Amino acid sequence: EADIYQTPRYLVIGTGKKITLECSQTMGHDKMYWYQQDPGMELHLIHYSYGVNSTEKGDLSSESTVSRIRTEHFPLTLESARPSHTSQYLCASSGRDRGQFFGPGTRLTVL
Amino acid sequence: GQQVMQIPQYQHVQEGEDFTTYCNSSTTLSNIQWYKQRPGGHPVFLIQLVKSGEVKKQKRLTFQFGEAKKNSSLHITATQTTDVGTYFCAGPRDSNYQLIWGAGTKLIIKP
Repeated sequence: EADIYQTPRYLVIGTGKKITLECSQTMGHDKMYWYQQDPGMELHLIHYSYGVNSTEKGDLSSESTVSRIRTEHFPLTLESARPSHTSQYLCASSGRDRGQFFGPGTRLTVL
Repeated sequence: GQQVMQIPQYQHVQEGEDFTTYCNSSTTLSNIQWYKQRPGGHPVFLIQLVKSGEVKKQKRLTFQFGEAKKNSSLHITATQTTDVGTYFCAGPRDSNYQLIWGAGTKLIIKP
């Protein structure tokens, strides 16, 4: 079944830890995105990719990095988590001339 | 810079009343997209409008794209509890085609 997956769904970690948020899609979409969203607020684009080996920074300054080695996989890494990183992280993908399809999100809490 | 403004921020309605949210862009858009996010959920793509003056309907939802392609609206007739959530509009940025998101309108059904 074509879908987009994110793991973990919830994560509570201590300051200074390195974490990787996983995102995979089975829709064969070239474009993938990472957004940060605080509860009830607008979406902020932090990274995007047009395809394999293509990554770009978005509007929101972020201390995270991404990689796109395979079409279906777009992980996001925080080298040193801080309390200011506490938020929901949403992964999305899109095909040609269509809307974006979102994963369920990862709710991150940094203590 | 390029902006997408969305109003109102919140709208409280009695079940059965109508709901409307408005989206205004600082520049002409090639298309506009609408998404719905249920409380605690992720954004779900509803529709994309492309043509000047376009009107599309999905059951009780009516979407319009302005003649100048700078504004759009979503109207829900006779709201139901299943309509509760935040409705976002988004349009592509001129420079890199990434979406610029409105801040969303939260639909709240009064008890």
